[in-house]
Amino acid sequence: EAGVTQFPSHSVIEKGQTVTLRCDPISGHDNLYWYRRVMGKEIKFLLHFVKESKQDESGMPNNRFLAERTGGTYSTLKVQPAELEDSGVYFCASSHTGPGSYEQYFGPGTRLTVT
Amino acid sequence: AQTVTQSQPEMSVQEAETVTLSCTYDTSENNYYLFWYKQPPSRQMILVIRQEAYKQQNATENRFSVNFQKAAKSFSLKISDSQLGDTAMYFCAFMKHGGGGSNYKLTFGKGTLLTVNP
Repeated sequence: EAGVTQFPSHSVIEKGQTVTLRCDPISGHDNLYWYRRVMGKEIKFLLHFVKESKQDESGMPNNRFLAERTGGTYSTLKVQPAELEDSGVYFCASSHTGPGSYEQYFGPGTRLTVT
Repeated sequence: AQTVTQSQPEMSVQEAETVTLSCTYDTSENNYYLFWYKQPPSRQMILVIRQEAYKQQNATENRFSVNFQKAAKSFSLKISDSQLGDTAMYFCAFMKHGGGGSNYKLTFGKGTLLTVNP
């Protein structure tokens, strides 16, 4: 079974540019989460999809961040325009529904550097 | 809102010895899960061990065990017979129990970088 994959692994962009991060969850997992870790701080929840619907986007920092999950499969997280404080590691995780759904499987993360 | 505190940014241990990582949390919830996740260098974060708050018995997974003190809101991780492959960042995390949707989001501590020395 393939794990959660994220692309790219590392992105370096200039302030004001746009970046799109992609997450492919484990096949069949309806739940998809985005988290972010800023250097030296906690990993913070950004949002949660159930299939294609946004269940909870309370952690999204501002309207420069747009997440989508068309068709309920992979998800994208777009940052436009990027700011310096957006630098960090963006993690995606997925889980199935039902018993054992507390366990989230994480991707390797995308390290975003905004210069 | 929940908070999770890991007071040890870095720790080191000699191979084959035992080490304990600390975690405290704050919540008004009565039913919840606590987790320890491990992220080895340049690799994905994986679940090490889980504890349901309603269970009094401490969880154990091979060389990993927890000391869960619900009243004190403490959840430490003990690693016995440390191995070089245990070198990783360890994150303590909290999740509300039950329901759906947003109840499944994780609240993390800042992490403890554990180095196992040969």
